[in-house]
Amino acid sequence: DAGVTQSPTHLIKTRGQQVTLRCSPKSGHDTVSWYQQALGQGPQFIFQYYEEEERQRGNFPDRFSGHQFPNYSSELNVNALLLGDSALYLCASSWDRLQETQYFGPGTRLLVL
Amino acid sequence: ILNVEQSPQSLHVQEGDSTNFTCSFPSSNFYALHWYRWETAKSPEALFVMTLNGDEKKKGRISATLNTKEGYSYLYIKGSQPEDSATYLCATNQAGTALIFGKGTTLSVSS
Repeated sequence: DAGVTQSPTHLIKTRGQQVTLRCSPKSGHDTVSWYQQALGQGPQFIFQYYEEEERQRGNFPDRFSGHQFPNYSSELNVNALLLGDSALYLCASSWDRLQETQYFGPGTRLLVL
Repeated sequence: ILNVEQSPQSLHVQEGDSTNFTCSFPSSNFYALHWYRWETAKSPEALFVMTLNGDEKKKGRISATLNTKEGYSYLYIKGSQPEDSATYLCATNQAGTALIFGKGTTLSVSS
């Protein structure tokens, strides 16, 4: 049983570009959450997808958007990249929205130059 | 806005030492407290989820306690081993809301 997978593992972009990160949840999980971890900080909640809709959102600008597909996989899109968007982006899946336990992927390291 | 605090920020111990970390969180509208272990280059791994005041959970040499009335949780590691070296994250959430993480405690165990 594969756990949560994310792609790519690393990514380098320049300011103003757009990026798409991908996540496949653990088998049997239908809820996907995205987190941003900046250097020296704990993971910060970006948004959560359930039944292909954004159900909750953290304090992130509209440049951050996402999507969930019928197979529960998810994408995180960031437009007009800023230097401050450089971070580790973590995806987590769970089987219910109450988030009893979340299972994390290894993350995508994004560097914006 | 929930604010989760962890202390210490980092810790260095010798193999065989026992150690503990603290996680503080707002006690109002509490739903659950989560502990994760995050080894370098790996995914964060769930250790415990606790919901009830007075809860104690154990997994091998690692245990955790929860006090929801005063808003804190302790994580204990008995007889630390080099493989325990990792960052330990705690997170809390209210019912149906997202996890709010602390910044973590980084443990380094020397042999």
